[in-house]
Amino acid sequence: AQSVTQLGSHVSVSEGALVLLRCNYSSSVPPYLFWYVQYPNQGLQLLLKYTSAATLVKGINGFEAEFKKSETSFHLTKPSAHMSDAAEYFCAVSENFNKFYFGSGTKLNVKP
Amino acid sequence: DVKVTQSSRYLVKRTGEKVFLECVQDMDHENMFWYRQDPGLGLRLIYFSYDVKMKEKGDIPEGYSVSREKKERFSLILESASTNQTSMYLCASSHPEGYQPQHFGDGTRLSIL
Repeated sequence: AQSVTQLGSHVSVSEGALVLLRCNYSSSVPPYLFWYVQYPNQGLQLLLKYTSAATLVKGINGFEAEFKKSETSFHLTKPSAHMSDAAEYFCAVSENFNKFYFGSGTKLNVKP
Repeated sequence: DVKVTQSSRYLVKRTGEKVFLECVQDMDHENMFWYRQDPGLGLRLIYFSYDVKMKEKGDIPEGYSVSREKKERFSLILESASTNQTSMYLCASSHPEGYQPQHFGDGTRLSIL
């Protein structure tokens, strides 16, 4: 069965600092990987997705993620945090069209 | 843009009531999903549907049922609401290819008193 692990339920960075949110997955086949962001009282919005075309994926709002098969990781980064990045972030994996598996989420706090 | 609309943002019901949560999508997606979201647990799949009148249980289907009579609409039913079903409920839809992302509604925050 699929599983997704997000290390760190809460991450706090200063404005302008690097953002690194960690995601590791387990999969028996090459997966499709996604990062979503959730702002308070809203649904999830797609940040970026990996579909095997390129290992470094660029998304919206300056975020990017790198697929590392050897480490079964798909960590999310942003070079410089902005106050508006404060939200909860979810990593998700899919092997087929029916099911998506989500991590437990990481809340990002950005300090002024 | 894909639009997934959940009928209520906030809902308060009483224990034992039958509760209906409605979800409509406007992009002709075959797949639709219901999740519940609880702090520290992420999203847990309740049910999903890959076609009209087709449904499959997710990871936590107990106490819930679903209905999909039309392609664009997917309803979640709490047969007899209990306090442990107080949660945020999220509906999503997608095309039936694994590389296609899910599109989410804004969620329904349900409180069972």
